[in-house]
Amino acid sequence: EVQLVESGGGLVQPGRSLRLSCAASGFTFDDYAMHWVRQAPGKGLEWVSGISWNSGSIGYADSVKGRFTISRDNAKNSLYLQMNSLRAEDTALYYCAKAHSGWYIPNWFDPWGQGTLVTVSS
Amino acid sequence: DIQMTQSPSSLSASVGDRVTITCRASQGISNYLAWYQQKPGKVPKLLIYAASTLQSGVPSRFSGSGSGTDFTLTISSLQPEDVATYYCQKYNSALLTFGGGTKVEIK
Repeated sequence: EVQLVESGGGLVQPGRSLRLSCAASGFTFDDYAMHWVRQAPGKGLEWVSGISWNSGSIGYADSVKGRFTISRDNAKNSLYLQMNSLRAEDTALYYCAKAHSGWYIPNWFDPWGQGTLVTVSS
Repeated sequence: DIQMTQSPSSLSASVGDRVTITCRASQGISNYLAWYQQKPGKVPKLLIYAASTLQSGVPSRFSGSGSGTDFTLTISSLQPEDVATYYCQKYNSALLTFGGGTKVEIK
């Protein structure tokens, strides 16, 4: 069974940094692209970032470009999101999601983890 | 950037009704469209990919159609367990945009 377990969320002040992790199991991690998607409280889904199987192709939403960095460690079956210069509008539940193939695009997401909550507030 | 617009934003229908949700792309995206279901307090779940291919295990009352700019998700006979918010998502290019969502309730 595919399992994705996010961690690293919490309360952080505006302007500070946070690093999210996603531990994957139940599939061959380095065969698949991975993505981060967030959902602000009571709002819809927003794609944040994606990375191909070999980290050779990476993309970001305009809202996080230059502040967030996605990475992966295939030896550890783990996905990461380094979030710098955090803003109040980054407050959200952050999901990691497995892509259908190893390429960053085109791709859909299945399954999703349970999410980790990031709250940016002073 | 290609925008994805869903309509309606919410709907209320009776059990057994046929429900249709539309998703419009601001530019053509071929059939690079997925649909997700998010039940209250739960994780999003993939329903359909490639605009019309049903994900394994998804009930056959769900179907998708469309290509280019106009897409639909249809629930042929609404069931109480279908209460959820439904999202479309394009995945043809670098920005994998979601629609705003359609909340489906039982009348």
